[in-house]
Amino acid sequence: QKEVEQNSGPLSVPEGAIASLNCTYSDRGSQSFFWYRQYSGKSPELIMSIYSNGDKEDGRFTAQLNKASQYVSLLIRDSQPSDSATYLCAGRVEGSTLGRLYFGRGTQLTVWP
Amino acid sequence: SQTIHQWPATLVQPVGSPLSLECTVEGTSNPNLYWYRQAAGRGLQLLFYSVGIGQISSEVPQNLSASRPQDRQFILSSKKLLLSDSGFYLCAWAGTNYNEQFFGPGTRLTVL
Repeated sequence: QKEVEQNSGPLSVPEGAIASLNCTYSDRGSQSFFWYRQYSGKSPELIMSIYSNGDKEDGRFTAQLNKASQYVSLLIRDSQPSDSATYLCAGRVEGSTLGRLYFGRGTQLTVWP
Repeated sequence: SQTIHQWPATLVQPVGSPLSLECTVEGTSNPNLYWYRQAAGRGLQLLFYSVGIGQISSEVPQNLSASRPQDRQFILSSKKLLLSDSGFYLCAWAGTNYNEQFFGPGTRLTVL
């Protein structure tokens, strides 16, 4: 069974700190990973995609993928109160039916001023 | 650019009533379309997906159904709602490479 697990949180960090969100997955066939941000009452918004081992940086966000350890993370530098949201990790298995994604339950992040 | 719309935004329905939620995508052709449900305190559950007009695949057996009458239109229906159908219904689209899925604004359904 394909599963994506996220640290349950909630995670609370002060403004300006680095927030680290982690995700593990069970299926070694998983090749692509996605991080979504979901504000309370809103729909998920795609913020990062990562397809190969290593780091991918986009502004204050860095996604890290380690396929040997089956581990994905999202680092948010210089955290802002506007980053307070639930972050969803999703994985996709190569060749999976119609690009099916497997979502974790999410980690709630609070950035306090 | 691509845009995805869902309506209604919120809906309150009695148990046993019918349901019709609509999703449309603009700015792309032949998208892959998905219906998800997010219940309170739970993760995203994939309900249906579609690669083209009239082509629907179901992930979970339930009293819901989906249809795709046009290339960029996806409809979620039920003949008789259950209390357990309450939740946040999300439509998503992806390009033919399947890589990234983008969600619509969602419909919050409360069944009383």
